[in-house]
Amino acid sequence: DVKVTQSSRYLVKRTGEKVFLECVQDMDHENMFWYRQDPGLGLRLIYFSYDVKMKEKGDIPEGYSVSREKKERFSLILESASTNQTSMYLCASTQGSYEQYFGPGTRLTVT
Amino acid sequence: GENVEQHPSTLSVQEGDSAVIKCTYSDSASNYFPWYKQELGKGPQLIIDIRSNVGEKKDQRIAVTLNKTAKHFSLHITETQPEDSAVYFCAASIFGGSNYKLTFGKGTLLTVNP
Repeated sequence: DVKVTQSSRYLVKRTGEKVFLECVQDMDHENMFWYRQDPGLGLRLIYFSYDVKMKEKGDIPEGYSVSREKKERFSLILESASTNQTSMYLCASTQGSYEQYFGPGTRLTVT
Repeated sequence: GENVEQHPSTLSVQEGDSAVIKCTYSDSASNYFPWYKQELGKGPQLIIDIRSNVGEKKDQRIAVTLNKTAKHFSLHITETQPEDSAVYFCAASIFGGSNYKLTFGKGTLLTVNP
């Protein structure tokens, strides 16, 4: 079974803090994705990576950056957290097929 | 880029009834249309998908239909059960592309009442 894990289920941070969200997959997948999920807006792609050290912007990259130093790990970074980044963040991975395997999500609250 | 519209945003049915969720897409190059189910507290999970060379696909109580001309595809759930209650997302993509990127609809909250 593919397993995608995210470092935290719930996170509370203050405005202006630097925030790291970690995602690890155990199936040697090349492609990894970060989405944010907001009520009424669905899943919106922030960034994706198709190989180590490779990344591409998704639909809403502003205010975020990513890091992929190892194939199994994809990190989302909020350089200076703001209240409008309060959201559910979902990581996903895929390899050779279009089925994306999602982690359980991190609910981030920025106060 | 691709735009996927999904309706309705909420759907409430009685156990045993059928449920239909509809999506439209904008990019005629899209040829892969998956459906994901998200249960409370979990990430979305693929339940069925269809490619544009097929008009309909079934898997037990769920089916997906595709109308390429109208750029429209639908999820049909028959004999609904309480465990079908979840948020459902449709998505579209270009199969054979290099990055496996999906564009999702905004989701439908399905509630099946016992």
